[in-house]
Amino acid sequence: DIQLTQSPSSLSASVGDRVTIACRASDTINDYLNWYQYTPGRAPKLLIFAASNLQGGVPSRFSGSGSGTDFALTISGLQPEDFATYYCQQSLSVPWTFGQGTKVEIK
Amino acid sequence: EVQLEESGGGVVRPGGSLRLSCAASGFTFEEYGMSWVRQAPGRGLEWVSGISKYGGGGGYLDSVKGRFTISRDNAKKSLYLQMNIVRAEDTALYYCARWHRNTFDFWGQGTLVTVSS
Repeated sequence: DIQLTQSPSSLSASVGDRVTIACRASDTINDYLNWYQYTPGRAPKLLIFAASNLQGGVPSRFSGSGSGTDFALTISGLQPEDFATYYCQQSLSVPWTFGQGTKVEIK
Repeated sequence: EVQLEESGGGVVRPGGSLRLSCAASGFTFEEYGMSWVRQAPGRGLEWVSGISKYGGGGGYLDSVKGRFTISRDNAKKSLYLQMNIVRAEDTALYYCARWHRNTFDFWGQGTLVTVSS
């Protein structure tokens, strides 16, 4: 199984900050990497697909980068609604696996 | 508007059974693969099982193989998860998700399963 390791596990930031979340895969996954936003009580939301492609309707302050084993999600100009937990997920091989999550909290 | 609504969660004793359902609307259900993804208390997201648009080729997380069965009824636009011989570690919020272009592009709100004696 492909393991995904996110860092950091949590971070504190202020509105307007730029934050970056890293995701490392245990084996190369090319660009088969997606990012999701999770807020308790709400359905998880797809943000980025195929490593760097913005899902329709997602604000352009979200961006993704990387290929192979190292990936990143960047939020440029954090907004109040962005305080949530973010997960990476690989779609190269079954079982589809997720990172352990990164919680973005208000400083 | 794409909507996925899970139901069937509840409290079940270890070793017992439960059947989860997911009602889909707002899209052509039979054109998409579907999956179940869960989140245990205090833990991250974990893919449980997936099924192709035709109803075949279901895949399972190793820990649920032989105990859980995924199925779908395209005429009813519904997805199911039959959970047998449940364990305490199956306690989680279970989400139904649509599989499209190698992503889970839409999710439901989840249904809570609690395994407890």
